[in-house]
Amino acid sequence: KQEVTQIPAALSVPEGENLVLNCSFTDSAIYNLQWFRQDPGKGLTSLLLIQSSQREQTSGRLNASLDKSSGRSTLYIAASQPGDSATYLCAVPGTNAGKSTFGDGTTLTVKP
Amino acid sequence: GAVVSQHPSRVICKSGTSVKIECRSLDFQATTMFWYRQFPKKSLMLMATSNEGSKATYEQGVEKDKFLINHASLTLSTLTVTSAHPEDSSFYICSARDLKGSSQETQYFGPGTRLLVL
Repeated sequence: KQEVTQIPAALSVPEGENLVLNCSFTDSAIYNLQWFRQDPGKGLTSLLLIQSSQREQTSGRLNASLDKSSGRSTLYIAASQPGDSATYLCAVPGTNAGKSTFGDGTTLTVKP
Repeated sequence: GAVVSQHPSRVICKSGTSVKIECRSLDFQATTMFWYRQFPKKSLMLMATSNEGSKATYEQGVEKDKFLINHASLTLSTLTVTSAHPEDSSFYICSARDLKGSSQETQYFGPGTRLLVL
């Protein structure tokens, strides 16, 4: 059974800092890995999708990496802004049915 | 990108009533949709897999008679919370797997429905 762990559970940084969020998974036989953002009381916003054949994906100030062999992914946020404050979730779909297993998320607070 | 919608976005109901939540894939066909539940300050937990034209597959611990799932077409799945109680209050999110993107196992998530049972 796939297990997804995110560290840290919460993170508070001053505006402008670069930061890294971590996601680890136990079963490396994955199709892809997806990072989401969730604002309080809201749904999921997809940030980045990394295919199993890729090592990283970039979108603006966000960069996600994937190391299947070690079961790890990182989400790098450059020059953080208060608007980046949210909970960040990583998710890994199952090998045959596509259903995703989510980590518990990292709640990020960027202070002005 | 592909869009998945949910309706309603928020619902408040009295204990004992039933509530239906719709999940639609707007610009693609989805033979498989997934229903997740999110408790406050927790991550999403898969409840069931909804398969078009067949019975849903429920995860362990999820009451199938409590959470009725119907996937009548390639673009619509519904989740009905029957005889709702306050402990059913939660955030429900659906996702749909793009039929064309099956090789990539790409899921698209809906915006969620917040249910509050009084």
